[in-house]
Amino acid sequence: AQSVAQPEDQVNVAEGNPLTVKCTYSVSGNPYLFWYVQYPNRGLQFLLKYITGDNLVKGSYGFEAEFNKSQTSFHLKKPSALVSDSALYFCAVSSGNTGKLIFGQGTTLQVKP
Amino acid sequence: DTAVSQTPKYLVTQMGNDKSIKCEQNLGHDTMYWYKQDSKKFLKIMFSYNNKELIINETVPNRFSPKSPDKAHLNLHINSLELGDSAVYFCASSPSGRDGYTFGSGTRLTVV
Repeated sequence: AQSVAQPEDQVNVAEGNPLTVKCTYSVSGNPYLFWYVQYPNRGLQFLLKYITGDNLVKGSYGFEAEFNKSQTSFHLKKPSALVSDSALYFCAVSSGNTGKLIFGQGTTLQVKP
Repeated sequence: DTAVSQTPKYLVTQMGNDKSIKCEQNLGHDTMYWYKQDSKKFLKIMFSYNNKELIINETVPNRFSPKSPDKAHLNLHINSLELGDSAVYFCASSPSGRDGYTFGSGTRLTVV
């Protein structure tokens, strides 16, 4: 069965510092991996995806993620955090033809000035 | 133009009532989904339709019934509402499993 784990409920970083939000996954077959961000009282917004190819994927708002097949991880990163990056971040995995996305439990990112 | 729109945005209703949430997408996607986000922000898939055909039906009470009159619309009808149904319900659409979803802004359902 597919599953996604985000081991940290909350990540705190200072503005200007690099940030990492962790994600590990379990899926049979080749994974399609995604990151979404949710601001308070809003829907989820797509950040980036990994389907195949280069293990380092670049996305919206300066975010990137690194796919590591041996560690079954897909960590979200940004070189320099902004206060406006503070939000809830979800990792998700899909496989198969239905397009069903399984989401992690979410990680709250808090960037302090 | 809103890509995936849901109505209403907020819904407060009494236990035992029947209510519907509507969703429309103007992206031309073939597949639409309903997800439930509980109070702990956990997202769980409920249903999926591909071009009006039901393809995913997770373990959801029979009181929840999706309807897709065409591939641009996916509505969710809930009978005999219970307190535990209180949540945010998100509609989403996707062209394929490789493309991820475009989400609506959500419907916050509160059952009192």
